[in-house]
Amino acid sequence: DIQLTQSPSFLSASIGDRVTVTCRASQGISSYLAWYQQKPGKAPKLLIYAASTLQSGVPSRFSGSGSGTEFTLTISSLQPEDFATYYCQQLNSYPLTFGPGTKVDIK
Amino acid sequence: EVQLVESGGGVVQPGGSLRLSCAASGFSFRHFTMHWVRQAPGKGLEWVSLITWDAATTYYGDSVKGRFTISRDNSKNSLYLQMNSLTTEDTALYYCAKDLYGNGFNSWGQGTLVTVSS
Repeated sequence: DIQLTQSPSFLSASIGDRVTVTCRASQGISSYLAWYQQKPGKAPKLLIYAASTLQSGVPSRFSGSGSGTEFTLTISSLQPEDFATYYCQQLNSYPLTFGPGTKVDIK
Repeated sequence: EVQLVESGGGVVQPGGSLRLSCAASGFSFRHFTMHWVRQAPGKGLEWVSLITWDAATTYYGDSVKGRFTISRDNSKNSLYLQMNSLTTEDTALYYCAKDLYGNGFNSWGQGTLVTVSS
């Protein structure tokens, strides 16, 4: 099974900050990676797929990059509504797996 | 508007069974692969199972293989998860999710809570 790790597990940031979350895969997954945002008590929301494609309706301050085993999610200017937990997911092979999550909190 | 509404959750004793349902609307259900994903209280996301549009192919996560069975009824726009031999480790909020052509899950339900406890 492909394992995903995320760093950091938790980050504290201010409004307007540039935030980067890293996801690493235990083996190469090409660009078969998605990013989700989850707020407390809500279902996850797809932000990015195919490593760098912005899902329809997602603000352009979100971006994704990477391929192979290392990927990043970047929020160019953190907004109040962006405080949430972010998960990466690999779709290269079964079983599909999620990273453990990165919680973005208010500094 | 895509809507996914899960039901069937509840409290069950260890070793028991439960069948979850997901009612889909707002899209052509019969054309899409569907998934179940779960989230234990305070924990991360765990993919559970997938079924292709025609039910010809199914996949399962390692922790549920041999105990859970995914199915669908395209005539009823419904997805199901039959869960047997439940353990306390299966306690979680269970989401159904719509597949984006193998690129991720672009619609999710609100989840149904399964609690396995004696």
